[in-house]
Amino acid sequence: AQKITQTQPGMFVQEKEAVTLDCTYDTSDQSYGLFWYKQPSSGEMIFLIYQGSYDEQNATEGRYSLNFQKARKSANLVISASQLGDSAMYFCAMRGEYGNQFYFGTGTSLTVIP
Amino acid sequence: DAGITQSPRHKVTETGTPVTLRCHQTENHRYMYWYRQDPGHGLRLIHYSYGVKDTDKGEVSDGYSVSRSKTEDFLLTLESATSSQTSVYFCAISESGWVNTEAFFGQGTRLTVV
Repeated sequence: AQKITQTQPGMFVQEKEAVTLDCTYDTSDQSYGLFWYKQPSSGEMIFLIYQGSYDEQNATEGRYSLNFQKARKSANLVISASQLGDSAMYFCAMRGEYGNQFYFGTGTSLTVIP
Repeated sequence: DAGITQSPRHKVTETGTPVTLRCHQTENHRYMYWYRQDPGHGLRLIHYSYGVKDTDKGEVSDGYSVSRSKTEDFLLTLESATSSQTSVYFCAISESGWVNTEAFFGQGTRLTVV
């Protein structure tokens, strides 16, 4: 069974500072993908970044980077230079080896303070 | 933006009535999903489809059925709506079953059962 755990229900960060959102996962699959999504208050789900289990480098997309520690089964999202528009819910998700389903965590609500 | 349209966007219905939500895609993606989002639970999979007439259950499938008669349409039916099915429903699509393929989401349907 696959499981995603996000232990931070809410986080605050000062504008222009960096913030790390935690995500741990549980799987017995050898091959899997890890994803982060952003959900602003308007409700849509926006794909941010992907990390493959066999990728040796941490993924980066602009101000987003994924701190992947395979042995610890963690896939934390790092947002650098936070902006007010980063205030949103953030969801970590995983897709396992047989690839049919995406499993989501319960999300972290990020608030950027001016 | 991925071409995914959910209808209706908002619906209020009475307990015991059947309800059908529609997801329409223009991307010709093979996989389609129905999730529900509830506070504290993140996104939970109801049903998914991996091809025309090929569907399978997710973790919260009781009280729901689905159909996919065409690649572009995936219907979710609440056979007899209950108050516990008040939720925001998201449709998602994915091009393939490979672990490195992300999901794209529709705008969501807010369903209230009174």
